[in-house]
Amino acid sequence: EDQVTQSPEALRLQEGESSSLNCSYTVSGLRGLFWYRQDPGKGPEFLFTLYSAGEEKEKERLKATLTKKESFLHITAPKPEDSATYLCAATYQAGTALIFGKGTTLSVSS
Amino acid sequence: DVKVTQSSRYLVKRTGEKVFLECVQDMDHENMFWYRQDPGLGLRLIYFSYDVKMKEKGDIPEGYSVSREKKERFSLILESASTNQTSMYLCASSFGDSQETQYFGPGTRLLVL
Repeated sequence: EDQVTQSPEALRLQEGESSSLNCSYTVSGLRGLFWYRQDPGKGPEFLFTLYSAGEEKEKERLKATLTKKESFLHITAPKPEDSATYLCAATYQAGTALIFGKGTTLSVSS
Repeated sequence: DVKVTQSSRYLVKRTGEKVFLECVQDMDHENMFWYRQDPGLGLRLIYFSYDVKMKEKGDIPEGYSVSREKKERFSLILESASTNQTSMYLCASSFGDSQETQYFGPGTRLLVL
């Protein structure tokens, strides 16, 4: 069974304190690795798609990277408005549906 | 910009009622999906559709049905609502290939009393 596992479950940072979120995934048959941001009571908002090992994408203070068995979401100098739940998901050759991890809830305090 | 809309943000229903949740997308996407999201369980796929009038069961289809009569619209039906169907329901859509990004609607928070 294809799996996506995120760690840590929760992360508390001070404003400006950089860190990384981890997403490990079943390697075989990966078609795409996706990162979403979700604010409380809202739908997930798309951030990045990664397709192959070595790929990196950036948006403001966020950078997503993909290795052969993990993806990382690096947050540089976070601000309180970066507080949210970050979801990692993957699609595989067997189907089109996203398989989600359980998310990392990030809290950034000023 | 991709737009996925859901018919209601909040719904309160009684046990045994038939409940309709509607989702509309404006990007001519082939695929549409219904998920539910519960604390500690994450997002779980209920049903998806890859074409008009086509549907596939996801991980937790029991107690639900779906309808896709037009490409842009995908409905989730709770045949007889139960308290364990209290949840956040999320609709998503994407183009046909599994490498394509899924875009989500704002969600419907359903409370079944």
